[in-house]
Amino acid sequence: DAGITQSPRHKVTETGTPVTLRCHQTENHRYMYWYRQDPGHGLRLIHYSYGVKDTDKGEVSDGYSVSRSKTEDFLLTLESATSSQTSVYFCAISVSSGGPEQFFGPGTRLTVL
Amino acid sequence: GENVEQHPSTLSVQEGDSAVIKCTYSDSASNYFPWYKQELGKRPQLIIDIRSNVGEKKDQRIAVTLNKTAKHFSLHITETQPEDSAVYFCAGPNTDKLIFGTGTRLQVFP
Repeated sequence: DAGITQSPRHKVTETGTPVTLRCHQTENHRYMYWYRQDPGHGLRLIHYSYGVKDTDKGEVSDGYSVSRSKTEDFLLTLESATSSQTSVYFCAISVSSGGPEQFFGPGTRLTVL
Repeated sequence: GENVEQHPSTLSVQEGDSAVIKCTYSDSASNYFPWYKQELGKRPQLIIDIRSNVGEKKDQRIAVTLNKTAKHFSLHITETQPEDSAVYFCAGPNTDKLIFGTGTRLQVFP
């Protein structure tokens, strides 16, 4: 499983509250990604990182921010959660520097009430 | 922007039959095309991929074909088994950012 963990695995929160999801990897991979998965939409890229403090937006970045202060951790923050952000969130890494093969973490199921 | 379309959205086959899932893409510069399998409640897992300099790649019962002229690529599963039942996603187009198709739910009936 490429040494990827996500925390928490499940979270229920209320509209308007801040939420931070954590992705942790043990193998020093440079590229890390955050996706959300919703029925009928597949996997959509939120943000990605190509190094410490180096991040860029994906196709659905509005309402989300990210930070990467250490190689091993990539944090996704919902500043003020909305019901439309109820989803399953997957973190992924590329196993070679900029290489295409992406491997996914176990996912976080987030429910915003 | 880049778009990846996947068809069909659902596919039911009898055990032992073949299954084919097709994806089309819009950017002619696309160079990398992976396929992922996701079982219920689990993470997507890479099962096979192909690069733009290759027309076909096989791994046991699964194969991927690429038609660069028509800008489509397909996943072929032969001799399907019940454990092949899952959602399959194609993706493209390049090495640092992937765009995923919307998925195909494959059901293999015994």
